[in-house]
Amino acid sequence: QLQLQESGPGLVKHSETLSLTCTVSGYSISDSITSARYYWGWIRQPPGKGLEWIGSIYYSGSTYYNPSLKSRVTMSVDTSTNQFSLRLSSLTAADTAVYYCARQDGSGIYRYWGQGTLVTVSS
Amino acid sequence: EIVLTQSPGTLSLSPGERATLSCRASQSVSSSFLAWYQQKPGQAPRLLIHAASSRDTDIPDRFSGSGSGTDFSLTISRLEPEDFSVYYCQQYGTSPYTFGQGTKLEIK
Repeated sequence: QLQLQESGPGLVKHSETLSLTCTVSGYSISDSITSARYYWGWIRQPPGKGLEWIGSIYYSGSTYYNPSLKSRVTMSVDTSTNQFSLRLSSLTAADTAVYYCARQDGSGIYRYWGQGTLVTVSS
Repeated sequence: EIVLTQSPGTLSLSPGERATLSCRASQSVSSSFLAWYQQKPGQAPRLLIHAASSRDTDIPDRFSGSGSGTDFSLTISRLEPEDFSVYYCQQYGTSPYTFGQGTKLEIK
C-alpha cells in the first residue's frame, strides 16, 4: 500500500527557507517498470483556504513549478532513500499553510496524498 | 493560468437530497482534464472524479461528473451523511495546475 509522509519544521522564521521531505513507502520512486508513469508533487493549503499546486518532480529529477512560486522553489528527489524534497525560500506569512506531498499520475491528478504538515511562518 | 470558479460557495441540503456543484473555467480545459476532490476536516483531499466524468476506484456511483470546455459539474444523486464536506475541482490540462476555491456542502 502506497503511503507518503511529510516531515520538516512546523515553525519557520520570516525570510528564512523552508525544507520539507516526503518519504514514500510501499512503492519505489525509481521502479524500473512503472516509474515513468508518475510525478511527485507538492500542494499547499493556507488555513481555511483552498489548494495551491506548488510543483512536481519526476524520478529523473526534471521539474516544473507554479510560475507564481518558481523564483523561490527548488525540488529534488533521492531515489536511494525513496524521498523527494521541497525548498521554499524568502518566507512570508503568506506561506503559512498545510503542505501536502502527493503522487501525481502523468496526466496531473493526485490519488495518493500524505497527511499534510502545518508550517507556520513567524515574524 | 486557468482560474476555476466554483459555485455555490456553500450548499445546504438534507440527507437523501440531490446535490449539484458547479465549476467554471476562465478558458477551455484541455481534453476535459478536470478532476473533483472531496476534503474532510483535518484530512487530505480524496480524488472522486477525473477526466470530467470518470469515477475513481471505489467511489460510490452516487457521485457523477459531467461537462466539457469551460463548464463542469459534480452531482451527488442521494446525499449520505458522510458526503457533507468540502469539494474542489482541479484542472490539469494546462500548467500551472489550478484548483477552484471550493464548495462547502453542509447539512440543512
